[in-house]
Amino acid sequence: EAGVAQSPRYKIIEKRQSVAFWCNPISGHATLYWYQQILGQGPKLLIQFQNNGVVDDSQLPKDRFSAERLKGVDSTLKIQPAKLEDSAVYLCASSSLAGGTGELFFGEGSRLTVL
Amino acid sequence: ILNVEQSPQSLHVQEGDSTNFTCSFPSSNFYALHWYRWETAKSPEALFVMTLNGDEKKKGRISATLNTKEGYSYLYIKGSQPEDSATYLCAFIDYKLSFGAGTTVTVRA
Repeated sequence: EAGVAQSPRYKIIEKRQSVAFWCNPISGHATLYWYQQILGQGPKLLIQFQNNGVVDDSQLPKDRFSAERLKGVDSTLKIQPAKLEDSAVYLCASSSLAGGTGELFFGEGSRLTVL
Repeated sequence: ILNVEQSPQSLHVQEGDSTNFTCSFPSSNFYALHWYRWETAKSPEALFVMTLNGDEKKKGRISATLNTKEGYSYLYIKGSQPEDSATYLCAFIDYKLSFGAGTTVTVRA
């Protein structure tokens, strides 16, 4: 079974530039999550999708971050314009069950450095 | 924002020794608790999903207990090996999933 795919693995940009991350979840997983993990902190949920609908985006900085999951399969997370504090690992995860009863399957993450 | 706390933040263990660490969470509105292991340059992987008070789960040399009434879970590693070196994350679920900051375990040969 193929795992969660993410790209790019690493990205270095200057502040005020834009960046996009892509995630392809495990086939058949309806729930998809994007997390931001800043060094020394736990992963913070940015957005949760159930199929192509948004379940929770309460912690997504909507003035600069956007995410979509067209057709309920793969997803993109965009940051525009980036700030220094956006430097983090962006983790995508998927689950076959909603509500947290099922384990999450994570990608390897996209490490963003904003200079 | 829920307060999920893990302690200690980091620990060093001699190969062959056993160790344990804690995840503390709010005792109200409990739904589930997850444990994940995150090795450097790899994806976090699930160890346990626990839902019932008093649950005890085991996978090889790693086990976990759950006390939902007092709001804590322990993760135990028996006979630590270098391959156990990783960050261990817990995640508490009520109506959303909130991660702790993790405990980073380094096993010295």
